[in-house]
Amino acid sequence: GEEVAQTPKHLVRGEGQKAKLYCAPIKGHSYVFWYQQVLKNEFKFLISFQNENVFDETGMPKERFSAKCLPNSPCSLEIQATKLEDSAVYFCASSQLGATNEKLFFGSGTQLSVL
Amino acid sequence: DAKTTQPPSMDCAEGRAANLPCNHSTISGNEYVYWYRQIHSQGPQYIIHGLKNNETNEMASLIITEDRKSSTLILPHATLRDTAVYYCIAGAETDKLIFGTGTRLQVFP
Repeated sequence: GEEVAQTPKHLVRGEGQKAKLYCAPIKGHSYVFWYQQVLKNEFKFLISFQNENVFDETGMPKERFSAKCLPNSPCSLEIQATKLEDSAVYFCASSQLGATNEKLFFGSGTQLSVL
Repeated sequence: DAKTTQPPSMDCAEGRAANLPCNHSTISGNEYVYWYRQIHSQGPQYIIHGLKNNETNEMASLIITEDRKSSTLILPHATLRDTAVYYCIAGAETDKLIFGTGTRLQVFP
């Protein structure tokens, strides 16, 4: 498709529960990026993929966050044992050839609320 | 990434040109300047990017100074729908974009 599709739009979890977010990149795009935006503040880079391979995971909290991009499946971002501080909007973006000299196309985000 | 500095907020009258400045004095020679915007709580939207030369597309123009230490995004005829937070990004560190705090542009009637 021509849009980055993120599901669900909204997700509510109790503290300690698992949360799983999905992102379908634009067809033909090789790169996927995940960002976290807390309270409309700055975007925090989490992780990027080149096809199904992790390209850069320097922003990922090591303990509870994991992500995958498997062939023929939407990419996913999973948070084990959510905490209140994980409440944020999670944006996914895709591009053809990375971020340098390229356009990133962003999805509309998943609003995660941890209660 | 080169650090960028943008004014936190600006106003613009509808129909007038909006000129959004960005300082990136530590940019290196091979780093591009990118502009994105976030309207309300939507995902960021790509606007334009450039390296040395001025660039224009259907959305905006990008003017980069000769020394590349600053740039200006120009929306030639701002509309109410251009009200958004505008992000200037200099460089793509290890092939990822690092967003700053941006400029909140308010277009008024």
